[in-house]
Amino acid sequence: DAGVTQSPTHLIKTRGQQVTLRCSPKSGHDTVSWYQQALGQGPQFIFQYYEEEERQRGNFPDRFSGHQFPNYSSELNVNALLLGDSALYLCASSLTGDSTGELFFGEGSRLTVL
Amino acid sequence: AQSVTQPDIHITVSEGASLELRCNYSYGATPYLFWYVQSPGQGLQLLLKYFSGDTLVQGIKGFEAEFKRSQSSFNLRKPSVHWSDAAEYFCAVGPISNFGNEKLTFGTGTRLTIIP
Repeated sequence: DAGVTQSPTHLIKTRGQQVTLRCSPKSGHDTVSWYQQALGQGPQFIFQYYEEEERQRGNFPDRFSGHQFPNYSSELNVNALLLGDSALYLCASSLTGDSTGELFFGEGSRLTVL
Repeated sequence: AQSVTQPDIHITVSEGASLELRCNYSYGATPYLFWYVQSPGQGLQLLLKYFSGDTLVQGIKGFEAEFKRSQSSFNLRKPSVHWSDAAEYFCAVGPISNFGNEKLTFGTGTRLTIIP
């Protein structure tokens, strides 16, 4: 049973560019959440997708956008990259209505902005 | 607004010694509390969680945590650490609705180093 998979694992971009990160949820899960983890910090909630719509959003600018596909996989897009966007981006999946509240995390995509 | 404070940035413990990692939270309602562990280059793995009931919860890898409402704390403990426990530990709080896990607020983490 595959867990949460993310791609790419590492990437380097320059300021002003755009990036797309991808996530496949754990088998059977229908909800995907994205978190940003800056160096030395805890993860911060970006947004959550369910039924192909953004269900909740954290305190991130509109440069951060996402998408969920019918197969529940998801993309995170960041436009006009800033140096401060350098971070580990974590995807987490869960099952709607699961009262255990457990999130399953992928290993992340490490983005470096030069 | 919800928040989590982990006052210890870095803790060093001898192998076989006991461990306690501190976590204090601020939350407007009944908190749902979690401890996650992150090894280098890895994602987050759930160690344990508290929703309600018994305030002492058991988790994986021999870890336990105690919820103390009066102190707004949820400290993680282990009676005897192993070298493989070296990692970053995160405490988190979040709402769990009928929908499920909505979002988590994490602390800044405590890095655990184990010395022989």
